[in-house]
Parts: sequence; C-alpha cells; structure tokens
Amino acid sequence: GENVEQHPSTLSVQEGDSAVIKCTYSDSASNYFPWYKQELGKRPQLIIDIRSNVGEKKDQRIAVTLNKTAKHFSLHITETQPEDSAVYFCAARDYGGSQGNLIFGKGTKLSVKP
Amino acid sequence: EAQVTQNPRYLITVTGKKLTVTCSQNMNHEYMSWYRQDPGLGLRQIYYSMNVEVTDKGDVPEGYKVSRKEKRNFPLILESPSPNQTSLYFCASSQGQLADTQYFGPGTRLTVL
Repeated sequence: GENVEQHPSTLSVQEGDSAVIKCTYSDSASNYFPWYKQELGKRPQLIIDIRSNVGEKKDQRIAVTLNKTAKHFSLHITETQPEDSAVYFCAARDYGGSQGNLIFGKGTKLSVKP
Repeated sequence: EAQVTQNPRYLITVTGKKLTVTCSQNMNHEYMSWYRQDPGLGLRQIYYSMNVEVTDKGDVPEGYKVSRKEKRNFPLILESPSPNQTSLYFCASSQGQLADTQYFGPGTRLTVL
C-alpha cells in the first residue's frame, strides 16, 4: 500500500517569508495529491490539490509542485501571513488494497511570526 | 448549507461502555470515512464506505465497527471502548466512490477513562 512521508514536522518563518513543505510517496500508481490545512481546534480543509498529469498548480499565494519520477510533491506558500499558521497535511491516493483511499502524512505545524 | 455533522462533539466515558458517534452528510456523497487524529501520527483511517451497505477496513480498524444503511449516515461504534481509543475523531465524505476532495466533519473529542 501507499506510504506518505512529510517533512518538516514543524516550521517557523517570519511574516512575509516563504514556506515549503515536502512529501514523498511510495506508490507510483498514485495520481491525486491534495493538501489540507487544519487551524487550531478546527477541521481539516482542502486548500489545493494536484493530479499526476500536471507538474505545478498555483492559487494566489499557494502552489503545489509534483515530481512523478522522484515521487515527491511540495507545498509552497509565499508572502506568509499570521493566518497561515496551522497544521498542514499532504495526502496521496492509494491504489493498492484500499481502492483509492487517501493516505495522509503526519502533518507540519507552521508558525508564522509577526 | 452543504455540510458534514458529527455528534457528540465531546464525550467522556469509561472503559467498556458501548458508544456510538454519529456522522451525517447532506451532499449525497457516496464515499464516507472515519479517521482518528493523534499527536504526531496525523490522520489515520479507521473504516470507509464507498456506498450503501459497502464498508471496509482502513489502517486502524481494531476496536471499531461501522454501518452504512443509508447514504447520508455513517455511524462509528465502539463496542467496548478502551483508554487507547482516546482521540479526536473525524468523519469525512466525498463525491464519487473514490476518496477525492474530502469534506470533514467538525470532529469528536473522545476521552475513555
């Protein structure tokens, strides 16, 4: 089955700096890679996703890149703001025994200091 | 309003006392799933369902049961809760039979004494 590794587990940046979170996956058949943001005490919410037929996707200050050969994908946040502080989870769709379930990384706690 | 709801939001119980956490969605989604979230371990899937009467185990199913008798509801049952089931539980749903964009419920914080 799929295995997703996420790094770093914690990340602290100054407001206005960029933040990058990286994930690797094991199943070359995976074709869907979402990112979820979870603010303190709240539910996870999808912020951006990418499918394996594209290498990069942007939405305002956030972008995701995918390297299928190396089996890794990354979340990039530019011009960070205090409201970007949250836990971020990457995920990959598993096409093994679990028939298309999402396998999540362990999360990255991002702190943006004013 | 399109949403996933869970009840109760908070529950403190004792070892061995059966409990049910309800999950309901009003988006006509086929796929529903239960996750538990523990510090440092991320979101781990307990059970999932691709449609009515179709359920299957996730990564950590031991000690849990589910049922899917109606499309909108997917209750999580703990027949004999133990302290290691103390956790934050999330229900999620998505359109179609694959785990595409998932909409999460608000979470249920369970403490088993």
